[in-house]
Amino acid sequence: DTGVSQNPRHKITKRGQNVTFRCDPISEHNRLYWYRQTLGQGPEFLTYFQNEAQLEKSRLLSDRFSAERPKGSFSTLEIQRTEQGDSAMYLCASSLGLISGNTIYFGEGSWLTVV
Amino acid sequence: GENVEQHPSTLSVQEGDSAVIKCTYSDSASNYFPWYKQELGKGPQLIIDIRSNVGEKKDQRIAVTLNKTAKHFSLHITETQPEDSAVYFCAASPGTGRRALTFGSGTRLQVQP
Repeated sequence: DTGVSQNPRHKITKRGQNVTFRCDPISEHNRLYWYRQTLGQGPEFLTYFQNEAQLEKSRLLSDRFSAERPKGSFSTLEIQRTEQGDSAMYLCASSLGLISGNTIYFGEGSWLTVV
Repeated sequence: GENVEQHPSTLSVQEGDSAVIKCTYSDSASNYFPWYKQELGKGPQLIIDIRSNVGEKKDQRIAVTLNKTAKHFSLHITETQPEDSAVYFCAASPGTGRRALTFGSGTRLQVQP
């Protein structure tokens, strides 16, 4: 088990540019989550997938954010027309199982700085 | 939706002392309560979790207690060591349905050698 892998680990972008983050979950984990974390705060839920289906989206996920998990394996999170308020760490997590309550494992996160 | 409150926000203890972090939750449907440790620049790492069918769980120096009636749960770390210094997050989740974890705001624990 190699754990949840996220790329890139760090991204600096100019305001208005688009960025994309990739997440590779633990092998055979059917659930994949995206969270956002700002300094001094706990992770905030953005969205999650069960296999390739996106089952829930938070109000935090504005129209500029889109997440995909086309084949039920890796996932991408794209932010269009980035704003300075998008600066945060974007965390991906995965779990195995069809119900909540199974252990959720996090990746190391992707830091986004919008200048 | 679920709301999780965590206290204290910072905690400083001497090496060898015990540390206690407390959380309350609002959704009575929540029945899964994990605790994560996060070191600087890294993702959260699960250290212990508890489900609502038990009131206490222990793993070496770490223990978690749950009071479903009062809707609160606590993390206890005994014989603290400098390497325990990190930010700790509690979280809550319903055991059914589709909702993911809701996190507390974190406790920065500093263990003084």
